Amino acid sequence: DAKTTQPNSMESNEEEPVHLPCNHSTISGTDYIHWYRQLPSQGPEYVIHGLTSNVNNRMASLAIAEDRKSSTLILHRATLRDAAVYYCIRRTGTASKLTFGTGTRLQVTL
Amino acid sequence: ETGVTQSPTHLIKTRGQQVTLRCSSQSGHNTVSWYQQALGQGPQFIFQYYREEENGRGNFPPRFSGLQFPNYSSELNVNALELDDSALYLCASSLGGSPLGTYNEQFFGPGTRLTVL
Repeated sequence: DAKTTQPNSMESNEEEPVHLPCNHSTISGTDYIHWYRQLPSQGPEYVIHGLTSNVNNRMASLAIAEDRKSSTLILHRATLRDAAVYYCIRRTGTASKLTFGTGTRLQVTL
Repeated sequence: ETGVTQSPTHLIKTRGQQVTLRCSSQSGHNTVSWYQQALGQGPQFIFQYYREEENGRGNFPPRFSGLQFPNYSSELNVNALELDDSALYLCASSLGGSPLGTYNEQFFGPGTRLTVL
C-alpha cells in the first residue's frame, strides 16, 4: 500500500501560518500527492493535490520537494475552523481510490 | 447543487445480522466509493462503483457488497455482521471517466455510524 508519514498532532495559534509536513520517500514518478481534511463529525473534504510543482488554491498551498520525497501543506492564516485531521495521500495516476493513513490532528487556539 | 447524503445517520445491529446503508451522489456524479473508518483511524477503501459496475475493491471480505443504481445512488450491504464492523461508513461521489491524468475530487457524505453489539 502507498505509504506516507505524518506527525500525529500539531498545534497552531489562530491567524498564524501552519506548515503540515508529509514524508513519502518511496513515491514513484506517477504518484500524485493529495491532501484531504476531516472536520469533527464530518466526512473528509478535498484540500489540494499536486504532482511535481507547487500548487495554490483558495484553501491552501502545497509545496512539493524537488526530489518529491516530502511535501508540506501550508495554511496561510489558521482559523478555529481549520481544526481538523489532515490526511496526506499518495495516489497512483491511474487509480481513483484514496489510501488514507492516520493523518495529523491540527489544533488551533486563540 | 445537492451534496452527498447518507442514510441512516446512526444504526445499531447485533452480531450476525445484515445491514444496508444508502448513499445519494452529488448531482452529475457517476462514481461512488465506499470507505470504512474505525475510531481513531483514517478511512479504508471498500470498493468503488462506476456507472453501475464495480470498479475496484479494497481488502474486504465478500460479505461486503454493493450496488449502484441508474440514478447513481448506491447501497452498501454487509452480511453476517461482526463486532469489528462497528465503524463510520463513508460514501464519496465523483465524476469518473475523465481523461487520464485528470483528477476529479471525491465529495464525501457525513457517514453512517454503525454499532454492532
